[in-house]
Amino acid sequence: SQQGEEDPQALSIQEGENATMNCSYKTSINNLQWYRQNSGRGLVHLILIRSNEREKHSGRLRVTLDTSKKSSSLLITASRAADTASYFCATELANAGGTSYGKLTFGQGTILTVHP
Amino acid sequence: NAGVTQTPKFQVLKTGQSMTLQCAQDMNHEYMSWYRQDPGMGLRLIHYSVGAGITDQGEVPNGYNVSRSTTEDFPLRLLSAAPSQTSVYFCASSYFKHGNTIYFGEGSWLTVV
Repeated sequence: SQQGEEDPQALSIQEGENATMNCSYKTSINNLQWYRQNSGRGLVHLILIRSNEREKHSGRLRVTLDTSKKSSSLLITASRAADTASYFCATELANAGGTSYGKLTFGQGTILTVHP
Repeated sequence: NAGVTQTPKFQVLKTGQSMTLQCAQDMNHEYMSWYRQDPGMGLRLIHYSVGAGITDQGEVPNGYNVSRSTTEDFPLRLLSAAPSQTSVYFCASSYFKHGNTIYFGEGSWLTVV
């Protein structure tokens, strides 16, 4: 079963509006990462938030992490048509032995469409 | 820097044929991995490597072999292709440290008929 599940599966907004995507996961994590994928392209790393962090910003992106609820959200402010893409959350599971390194578990993604 | 380079970009195979998907990175990353992406399933880890000579299985390893003879290269082999292996394959790499950015290749589209 998927460790990360995203909500909504699809989101359609107008340029200038904010877009919020949510991710829930099931087990303890080292960190949670958000990726963007344009149609037919590879994944691009957007932002990483560690398990001991609650909020991070990067340009128009804001990510929050609530480990008590095992959830994260990605907010894109003042969206642009160029933000149209699929967005994935990925978790790196916590493992005392360190063998979880790099083993990302991805959600199914949110398809964001920003209309000009 | 080229980053993570995958070849081929597109491939059509017949059931039972074998092939190798190539992955190379020029960032001297210790960690490399292969994922497959199926519609509505997100990405799933096939195999990974934490350094030359060291490989291990991910979530969906059956039907795939890997080897890591050099730091730069991490090929994925399909020994006897099956229609269920029709997917988009992504190679990724990073430094071997928790929280480091993982870089992905552009993907290889494989169709098995």
